[in-house]
Amino acid sequence: AQSVTQLDSQVPVFEEAPVELRCNYSSSVSVYLFWYVQYPNQGLQLLLKYLSGSTLVKGINGFEAEFNKSQTSFHLRKPSVHISDTAEYFCAVSGVNTGGFKTIFGAGTRLFVKA
Amino acid sequence: EADIYQTPRYLVIGTGKKITLECSQTMGHDKMYWYQQDPGMELHLIHYSYGVNSTEKGDLSSESTVSRIRTEHFPLTLESARPSHTSQYLCASSESTGALYNEQFFGPGTRLTVL
Repeated sequence: AQSVTQLDSQVPVFEEAPVELRCNYSSSVSVYLFWYVQYPNQGLQLLLKYLSGSTLVKGINGFEAEFNKSQTSFHLRKPSVHISDTAEYFCAVSGVNTGGFKTIFGAGTRLFVKA
Repeated sequence: EADIYQTPRYLVIGTGKKITLECSQTMGHDKMYWYQQDPGMELHLIHYSYGVNSTEKGDLSSESTVSRIRTEHFPLTLESARPSHTSQYLCASSESTGALYNEQFFGPGTRLTVL
């Protein structure tokens, strides 16, 4: 069965520093990959998604992610973070081996941006 | 703006009470989902629906039940709440076409506390 591992539960970083949030998934067979963000007291919203084509995907708020099939990874990056990026970030995968149209979510990485 | 709504946002109730968590979406999506979210844990799918009069249990066993009488409405009911039901409940929806790679739209969640 498909699984998603977010390697860091918390990432503290100073404002304007770069950040990388790591995500690995268990199978590269026909997968679609997503990053969602959850701000305090809100639901999740889509940051970006990889369906096919270019392995570098750009999303909202200056975030981007790179699909690496050989390493089964989909790490999220931002070159310069802002205080407003403080939130929880979820990596997710769907595909033929996630049980139909269901999406498998990771446990989340809490990004804390310090002034 | 979010087009998926959940009420109440917060609920504190005593053990044994019957509760219904409401979820409505105005996007005309056929597919709807209920997730349970606990701190530091993956989102766990507890119920989903393909459309009107279609409901299925998710991967995480839950004592709750759901109904889908109208496309826009997907309420979740607990007949007798227990402290173990304390959690955050997230409702989501997605389009029918391209089900595997469509993003899910989330409501703001209901934080339930059972005393």
